[in-house]
Amino acid sequence: DQQVKQNSPSLSVQEGRISILNCDYTNSMFDYFLWYKKYPAEGPTFLISISSIKDKNEDGRFTVFLNKSAKHLSLHIVPSQPGDSAVYFCAASKAGGSYIPTFGRGTSLIVHP
Amino acid sequence: KAGVTQTPRYLIKTRGQQVTLSCSPISGHRSVSWYQQTPGQGLQFLFEYFSETQRNKGNFPGRFSGRQFSNSRSEMNVSTLELGDSALYLCASSHSGRTANTGELFFGEGSRLTVL
Repeated sequence: DQQVKQNSPSLSVQEGRISILNCDYTNSMFDYFLWYKKYPAEGPTFLISISSIKDKNEDGRFTVFLNKSAKHLSLHIVPSQPGDSAVYFCAASKAGGSYIPTFGRGTSLIVHP
Repeated sequence: KAGVTQTPRYLIKTRGQQVTLSCSPISGHRSVSWYQQTPGQGLQFLFEYFSETQRNKGNFPGRFSGRQFSNSRSEMNVSTLELGDSALYLCASSHSGRTANTGELFFGEGSRLTVL
């Protein structure tokens, strides 16, 4: 049973446009959410996170939005750059219980020049 | 500051064999977690060690085991290898493993295991 779902295996975007990566979760106990980026032959690297007490967190070109009622979060990249081409993993954890993050299956983003 | 180091980076084994993978965390990090990544399955949590004790365990069979040493270095072992064990095995370290406090896990580049 997948508790964190990334239903789009891939996304293709033109350079300069907005990239929107989506993530849904089923466990209402999750209260901390993270996005990781992974290039081929490298380990995932932390990108941005958001606590359940917020609905938006911004870091440069990257913004994460959280809709708790819909159990949905999204990562916006504006403007998209070719160097953003990577696999993006959504992850969720429970601060009060087992904090081990549960990862989605990832979305492969390709940004075309 | 050196990152998380995993060895070996690539290895090929045959069914029935066993394999040991090694992970050296970032200096000062006491928590080490292991994940399995296969195509289309994302990152599946194997187990987490903190101060030489297994603190959390995922839903993997007993063929998958691990340990942590006093210097926080960790090893994982897979016995009686099966074709389905072919995957990228990732190690991640953090200060305490409390993601909500630290905000992130630091991953190594992974060990790619191929089982023939």
